[in-house]
Amino acid sequence: DTEVTQTPKHLVMGMTNKKSLKCEQHMGHRAMYWYKQKAKKPPELMFVYSYEKLSINESVPSRFSPECPNSSLLNLHLHALQPEDSALYLCASSQVFTGTTNEKLFFGSGTQLSVL
Amino acid sequence: QKEVEQNSGPLSVPEGAIASLNCTYSDRGSQSFFWYRQYSGKSPELIMFIYSNGDKEDGRFTAQLNKASQYVSLLIRDSQPSDSATYLCAVGTGTASKLTFGTGTRLQVTL
Repeated sequence: DTEVTQTPKHLVMGMTNKKSLKCEQHMGHRAMYWYKQKAKKPPELMFVYSYEKLSINESVPSRFSPECPNSSLLNLHLHALQPEDSALYLCASSQVFTGTTNEKLFFGSGTQLSVL
Repeated sequence: QKEVEQNSGPLSVPEGAIASLNCTYSDRGSQSFFWYRQYSGKSPELIMFIYSNGDKEDGRFTAQLNKASQYVSLLIRDSQPSDSATYLCAVGTGTASKLTFGTGTRLQVTL
């Protein structure tokens, strides 16, 4: 199994809603990532989890709350989002996260989020 | 500030031709280089990676790295319409495992 699975594929939410994005991988990878991508822009790193612990938070607003329940699962909890948060949210995984080497990232298919 | 530069394109090549995609980077400490292919509305897919100077071939794809000149390129031989996509260059410095992505080059392979 070489897939990173994300659900849902599409999400429309209001600014007062609370929703969650889910990501799952069964490749035995110990590092998982959340990226945000706007149209015609490169992916921007949001969070990195290594061995289920948060290693990097790229100064992301607190309305985005990541959670890593176990080594296979990664969630992104959303609350009180703004319309400018509308984007493609990508989950990725890599074998490890060492801080000294750059691992190959495997991306999920993404969640297209629209905030009304 | 670490930068990765790519020509946004579109780069248009006829079917069967060689497509050449280029990427330059500013951080001389960069150690790992990746090419991702992204179809419209889809997620990036890793197609090549290279760590050492020189060429690395995989099927129709060849990655070329020149650290002295700080550029990395991707050659696609016998281009097919299915190669039409945006190609993202990503560069890692070896610290904090944070990749810096370029803005991508859109490739169009015409019939």
